[in-house]
Order: sequence, then structure tokens, then C-alpha cells
Amino acid sequence: GNSVTQMEGPVTLSEEAFLTINCTYTATGYPSLFWYVQYPGEGLQLLLKATKADDKGSNKGFEATYRKETTSFHLEKGSVQVSDSAVYFCALSPIGTASKLTFGTGTRLQVTL
Amino acid sequence: GAGVSQSPRYKVAKRGQDVALRCDPISGHVSLFWYQQALGQGPEFLTYFQNEAQLDKSGLPSDRFFAERPEGSVSTLKIQRTQQEDSAVYLCASSSRTGRGANYGYTFGSGTRLTVV
Repeated sequence: GNSVTQMEGPVTLSEEAFLTINCTYTATGYPSLFWYVQYPGEGLQLLLKATKADDKGSNKGFEATYRKETTSFHLEKGSVQVSDSAVYFCALSPIGTASKLTFGTGTRLQVTL
Repeated sequence: GAGVSQSPRYKVAKRGQDVALRCDPISGHVSLFWYQQALGQGPEFLTYFQNEAQLDKSGLPSDRFFAERPEGSVSTLKIQRTQQEDSAVYLCASSSRTGRGANYGYTFGSGTRLTVV
């Protein structure tokens, strides 16, 4: 079946450090890939997405590239801020399925001064 | 409204009790989804509505779970005879798009945290 695997957290970084959160997936065909973010006390928000191989999604300084050959969609940011502290979820939308998202377990990021 | 509203925010139920969770989607959004998020886990799909039609209910874990959206707007997720394993955050999301495009325009609510004691 379809699945998403994320690196376990928490990830603790100092402000301005480089961030990588690993995400790999298992799916049939070419799913669409997403990163969602959940800030404390808030609902999930779409951070970025990529719909085909080699696409790069980007938003708010975050980037992720759809790598079909390694079935990965790692999230990166060059310089994190305290305000980036949140839980990050990688997700996929399987091909041929109109509506479902399959999520990873989430990675908590804590950024300190 | 401006966002997806869910109520109640918190619900404590005794085992065996029936509960009803409400979702008010963004006005005009035709697609509505329910997800279940257990502690420390990612959300898991429960069911999907397009307007009032329930197009996919494959994620509902048992026949104790029932969802409806009779007028294509507000939706209710009902859980009968609650059990401890039902304890989770129940998330609702809506989208103005349909079909595969719905995945690209989700707006999530803040969820209802259900605790079964």
C-alpha cells in the first residue's frame, strides 16, 4: 500500500541553521507530494507541493524536490527562524485517487535563539 | 466563515457513549474531508464528501462511525458506543475543488480532541 516515512523528531536547531527533514514514500505510479505544517494550536496548513518528478515546491523559504529515483521529497530551508517551530508532515496523494492524502507521522522542529 | 470551524474543541466521553462532531466548512466549498489523528501520528483519512454525496468512506474504521452532510454544507461525524481506541483528534478539511484537485486546496480546521474514558 501507500505509505510515507519521515525522520523522527524532535529536531532542535539554532536560529539561522540549515534545516533538512527527510521524507520517503512508497506508492504506485506518480503520486503528488506535499508538505504540511502545524503551528501550535492551529490547524494543518499546506506549505508546498510537487505534482511530478523533478518538480520543486517552494514557499516561505522552504523547498522540496520530487525525486522519483529515490522516492524522496526532503524538506529544506537555508536559515530557520524561531517562528518556524512547528510540526511538519509529509504527505502524498496516490495516483488515481481523487481525494485521499496519506500522511507521515510528522516531525517536530524546535528552533532556539 | 473565514476558515473551517469545528466544534466542540474538546470532548470527553464515557466508554459506550455516542458522540457527534461538527464541521462547518468554508462557505461554498464543495469538497469536505474527515481525518483521524491519533497521538503522535499523522492524520488518517476517514471519509470524503462532494456536496452532499459521500463519495468515499473507505477509511471509516468500523460501522460505529457514520458521517453525513445532508445539505452539502455542515457535516457531522458520529461515533456510536465509543471505545478508548477512538480517542484522537478528528480533523475536518474543505476545498473549493473537486476530484484530484481537491488535494491541492485543502483548508483544515483546528480539530476536535476526543478523549474516551
